[in-house]
Amino acid sequence: DTGVSQDPRHKITKRGQNVTFRCDPISEHNRLYWYRQTLGQGPEFLTYFQNEAQLEKSRLLSDRFSAERPKGSFSTLEIQRTEQGDSAMYLCASSLSGDSYNEQFFGPGTRLTVL
Amino acid sequence: AQSVTQPDIHITVSEGASLELRCNYSYGATPYLFWYVQSPGQGLQLLLKYFSGDTLVQGIKGFEAEFKRSQSSFNLRKPSVHWSDAAEYFCAVHMNRDDKIIFGKGTRLHILP
Repeated sequence: DTGVSQDPRHKITKRGQNVTFRCDPISEHNRLYWYRQTLGQGPEFLTYFQNEAQLEKSRLLSDRFSAERPKGSFSTLEIQRTEQGDSAMYLCASSLSGDSYNEQFFGPGTRLTVL
Repeated sequence: AQSVTQPDIHITVSEGASLELRCNYSYGATPYLFWYVQSPGQGLQLLLKYFSGDTLVQGIKGFEAEFKRSQSSFNLRKPSVHWSDAAEYFCAVHMNRDDKIIFGKGTRLHILP
């Protein structure tokens, strides 16, 4: 296993279109996180899963955003009716929840450009 | 609410010079503290972390950071920078071990030859 992978790496879309991103975590990791990073900012938390359950959603995650992790492995993040303000890097991270601290490992991100 | 402040948006140093990147956090208790590095087109890489104990922590690539409780600071240092250190550096806090990470806005490091 080479780490967290994300697909696609880049996505250009027109305003109003729907887009879906995929994240494959490190195989034994039960926690999966989504963050968004806009230009000149640090990553901001969007949501996270423990196994299949979505445990927390940020207020940044508007109704147009939906995330799933149906089998507790890979996750998808869908944005409906994209807006120019959605242009950002979407980062996925995974970790193994346990008794001790477990590092969140980040994927390379999906860069979304909304025209 | 907890927050992380990195007061320097850009820093430029000459290759071989020493480096210090500043970070202050706001939180009632001592959170877990981190420094990440992000190179263009790359994901975030953890440089070092502080949980408790010795306030001077060593990381990868020759970086170290010092936790100062009285100043709520966690500054990153390197005695001699290399051109390959040019990247964006993020200070971050983590309230609970499984919770979300809160990042600062980042400091972009430029290296002069």
